[in-house]
Amino acid sequence: GEQVEQRPPHLSVREGDSAFITCTYTDPNSYYFFWYKQEPGASLQLLMKVFSSTEINEGQGFTVLLNKKDKRLSLNLTAAHPGDSAAYFCAVSDGGSALGRLHFGAGTQLIVIP
Amino acid sequence: DAGVTQTPRHEVAEKGQTIILKCEPVSGHNDLFWYRQTKIQGLELLSYFRSKSLMEDGGAFKDRFKAEMLNSSFSTLKIQPTEPKDSAVYLCASRQGQLSNERLFFGHGTKLSVL
Repeated sequence: GEQVEQRPPHLSVREGDSAFITCTYTDPNSYYFFWYKQEPGASLQLLMKVFSSTEINEGQGFTVLLNKKDKRLSLNLTAAHPGDSAAYFCAVSDGGSALGRLHFGAGTQLIVIP
Repeated sequence: DAGVTQTPRHEVAEKGQTIILKCEPVSGHNDLFWYRQTKIQGLELLSYFRSKSLMEDGGAFKDRFKAEMLNSSFSTLKIQPTEPKDSAVYLCASRQGQLSNERLFFGHGTKLSVL
């Protein structure tokens, strides 16, 4: 079955620096990809959803990169600020699966130092 | 707030006890998931319901974990008997339909501590 590996498990950056988180997956049929953010004491919230047809997606203060050849999904927080301190999880869905099951990475705990 | 509601927020149990965690999904959602969240393993799937039918029961958790969905607006997760290694945050999530491109809506979780 699908295996999702997320790196690094912990990341500290200074305010204004970039933070880069990567997930690799094993199933070449994976089609939908998600990034969730979990702030301390809060529930997981969707950050961005991307499809396999799109390689670069930009949000507010971050960019998501998808490399299907390498089976790699990345989240780049540009000019991180303390409000970005949270746990980040990638999730991968098999578009061909009738069950629509999500496979999550183990998470990255990001700390942005003021 | 019409999101996913989980109760209680915190639960402390002694080894061997039976505990029941509760979840109310977003109204109108057909899919419901139970996950266990730990720092080491991340999110592990415990159970997955579609329109109240159990679609997937996490193999490693079958013997002491039982999730039920008696109606479309309420689900329970029973752990019996509890063990210290069950200490974790238990998350409930729901999804509107059956498409794998749909986002999950998560509850705040129940933090379980087993002594």
